[in-house]
Amino acid sequence: QVQLKESGPGLVQPSQTLSLTCTVSGFSLTSYNVHWVRQPTGKGLEWMGVIWTGGSTDYNSALKSRLSISRDTSKSQVFLKMNSLQTEDIATYYCAREAGIVMPTGYFDYWGQGVMVTVSS
Amino acid sequence: DIQMTQSPSLLSASVGDRVTLSCKASQSIYNSLAWYQQKLGEAPKLLIYDANSLQTGIPSRFSGSGSGTDYTLTISSLQPEDVATYFCQKYYSGWTFGGGTKLELK
Repeated sequence: QVQLKESGPGLVQPSQTLSLTCTVSGFSLTSYNVHWVRQPTGKGLEWMGVIWTGGSTDYNSALKSRLSISRDTSKSQVFLKMNSLQTEDIATYYCAREAGIVMPTGYFDYWGQGVMVTVSS
Repeated sequence: DIQMTQSPSLLSASVGDRVTLSCKASQSIYNSLAWYQQKLGEAPKLLIYDANSLQTGIPSRFSGSGSGTDYTLTISSLQPEDVATYFCQKYYSGWTFGGGTKLELK
């Protein structure tokens, strides 16, 4: 069955780089786009970026200068790296699959459980 | 950028009530709209896509409608398990979520 699972350090020091991994199963990264979405505790959802089936990426313009998304298709993993972390980056980070094999649809049919990230020294 | 505004931010209703949640876009999004349900401590769950299509496995008491800039999620008969926060999302010209509507039992 389709699964996505985020992993990474729960604590990052201010000004340091966040590195998260989304490990997927039940589908291929060359057939489905994968997105990253974050959610500060008790607040709304913010779209961060996407890695397309072909490997190209698009980012939220507000995060573009700090954000990088990449993947390793052989390991079925998508990576998020964001530098210069501050307290406003404290959130739960989710990866999500965009529905629609090969032909993207725009909406997200499967989500990971999320990983909580805190920024503190 | 297209902004998404949800109202109300908090809604209290009784079991069995018909509940309507609103989502407005700052310009037309051509029915490129999804609704998600998020229960406390869980990831969002897709309910509706393309404004009015019910995701597989979602109870038929959930329905979506609207066009252009104005969209609605309706729960025909509220159940206790529907207590959650509901988010709309546009996927026309990029992705943006609304601020959410928290639905609680009266």
